[in-house]
Order: sequence, then C-alpha cells, then structure tokens
Amino acid sequence: QKEVEQNSGPLSVPEGAIASLNCTYSDRGSQSFFWYRQYSGKSPELIMFIYSNGDKEDGRFTAQLNKASQYVSLLIRDSQPSDSATYLCAGLIVPSGGYQKVTFGIGTKLQVIP
Amino acid sequence: KAGVTQTPRYLIKTRGQQVTLSCSPISGHRSVSWYQQTPGQGLQFLFEYFSETQRNKGNFPGRFSGRQFSNSRSEMNVSTLELGDSALYLCASSDRPGGSGSYNEQFFGPGTRLTVL
Repeated sequence: QKEVEQNSGPLSVPEGAIASLNCTYSDRGSQSFFWYRQYSGKSPELIMFIYSNGDKEDGRFTAQLNKASQYVSLLIRDSQPSDSATYLCAGLIVPSGGYQKVTFGIGTKLQVIP
Repeated sequence: KAGVTQTPRYLIKTRGQQVTLSCSPISGHRSVSWYQQTPGQGLQFLFEYFSETQRNKGNFPGRFSGRQFSNSRSEMNVSTLELGDSALYLCASSDRPGGSGSYNEQFFGPGTRLTVL
C-alpha cells in the first residue's frame, strides 16, 4: 500500500463547476499535507497546505483534512480551463527522532471542459 | 530572486553509463531534495541534503547517490544506468530543514529529463 493514495484520473468537470480531488494516507503520524499543481511539462508548484482538521480556504481553493478518516481533499470552485493540470497530494511525516519525509501521491489529472 | 536551476535539462544516455545531474537552490536555501518522477510511480523521494549532510534517503538502490557542496549546490549521480532509470529528475529547495511539525515549502526546479536507451 502506498503511503499516499490518489486516483490518477482523469477527472473531467465542466467549466464553472466544483472539482473535488481526494487523497488518502496510511501513516497516522503524518502531520501536514500539501497540494501541488503541475502543468504538463512543468514542475510542481505549491497551492495549499493544511495541518489542522477541518477546512482551509484560499480564494477558489479549499483544502479539507480529516485525520480520523485519514483523508485529504482539495475543492476547486468555479473551475476554469486554466485549472487543467495534475494535482499532487503530499504528506509530511516526521518520525520520532528522525527527519521529515515528504511523500507524494501519484497525482490526479484534472480536465476542465469549456 | 532567481529560482531553482537544474542542469542539464535533457540528457540521453545508454545502459551501463553513469550520469551526474546538478541543482542550484534558491539563494539562501540550504536544503535540497531530489525526486524521481515517472508516469507509473509518480514523484518518489530520493534524498535530502542540508548543510552538506544527507538527512534522509528514500528507497532507491545504491546506484543513486548525491552530495551537497558548501555553497548548497547539489549533485546527483546515477551509476550503471538501467532502462528503468528514464524519468524526470526534480530537485527542490527549502530555506530550512524539516523539524518536528515544521512546515517548509519546497520550491521545485524545472527538472532534468533523463532518457536511457
């Protein structure tokens, strides 16, 4: 079992709709989670991070974390064609006495249809 | 401030050869992490360096090695290349190392696309 699981997609949504991207993780020691966006042929860029249970909103993006159920999600409201990209979920694990380790999911490809 | 730079951007090698990739972090950043990205496995962590010391290592064979210099520039070496090593190699820099519960944003470079024939 991968430490961070994502459906690779593609996830297709019409322009203006809400895109919902999900991620589950296996290590209960995971402390923080990140959502990166990667356009085709480009490197990943951080769009959101969350470390507390609940929701965190930033513009059209909302990250949700549920530590009891071990899932993280990213909602994109009013989806635009420019949001079409691969979204990578990553978890930060800091093992006892060790250094942090960032583990990425395989990424979900989002397609926003005009 | 200049971003993370990686050289070369593209590389074609044959099986059995070795390769060295270079990464220059953002000025002032002392943490450099290396990742391998493939369509089937996604982004996989190779290793992280901070102040010339390897702090963490992923599950890759010993053919993959790295180092960091006093100016924080980092190199990654892959010896005895295999076809399966074909991938995009990304490095990411951060202004501080991971600590208990700390959040440190990583800034990725453009990557080096390695093709092994």
